[in-house]
Amino acid sequence: KAGVTQTPRYLIKTRGQQVTLSCSPISGHRSVSWYQQTPGQGLQFLFEYFSETQRNKGNFPGRFSGRQFSNSRSEMNVSTLELGDSALYLCASSPGPGIQETQYFGPGTRLLVL
Amino acid sequence: ELKVEQNPLFLSMQEGKNYTIYCNYSTTSDRLYWYRQDPGKSLESLFVLLSNGAVKQEGRLMASLDTKARLSTLHITAAVHDLSATYFCAVTRSYNTDKLIFGTGTRLQVFP
Repeated sequence: KAGVTQTPRYLIKTRGQQVTLSCSPISGHRSVSWYQQTPGQGLQFLFEYFSETQRNKGNFPGRFSGRQFSNSRSEMNVSTLELGDSALYLCASSPGPGIQETQYFGPGTRLLVL
Repeated sequence: ELKVEQNPLFLSMQEGKNYTIYCNYSTTSDRLYWYRQDPGKSLESLFVLLSNGAVKQEGRLMASLDTKARLSTLHITAAVHDLSATYFCAVTRSYNTDKLIFGTGTRLQVFP
């Protein structure tokens, strides 16, 4: 059974640009969550989607948004990039809704904002 | 606000030794998770602890949960180099299991 996949794996952008990251959950999983990992702030929850609906959102500005498609794949978008958005963005899936027993994390997308 | 603290933040230990990582959380939580992260890699689920007194073991790692003390421990027995990684604990709120609140992480380095 294939795991959680994320694309792209690495990304370099400049301030002011926008970026879209993609996540494909484990087959059969309908819940997708996004987390940001930085050395300073650690791992922080961004949002969770289940059945194409955002069920929960973390304390991030409106520049961070996401969506989920009918096949459970999810995208997150960051507009007007800032230097502080440089981070590892992790996607996690679970059968859903919510975390239930555990979440399975993807390899992450490492974003560098110059 | 639910906060999760781990200590120590860094741990350098010799192979064959035992040690414990502590995870304290500030408010009631009904689930506690332990994850492992290798450098540049994603998070790997190690344990899920669902009730007070729960104990789980896998190889040289054993995790326990005391919900009354709001404390979980990850005990390492006879450490080996392969255990070198960063270990995170995480909790969910009792009323909202939709997101994980992570601890600061403990970076473990095992040397010969």
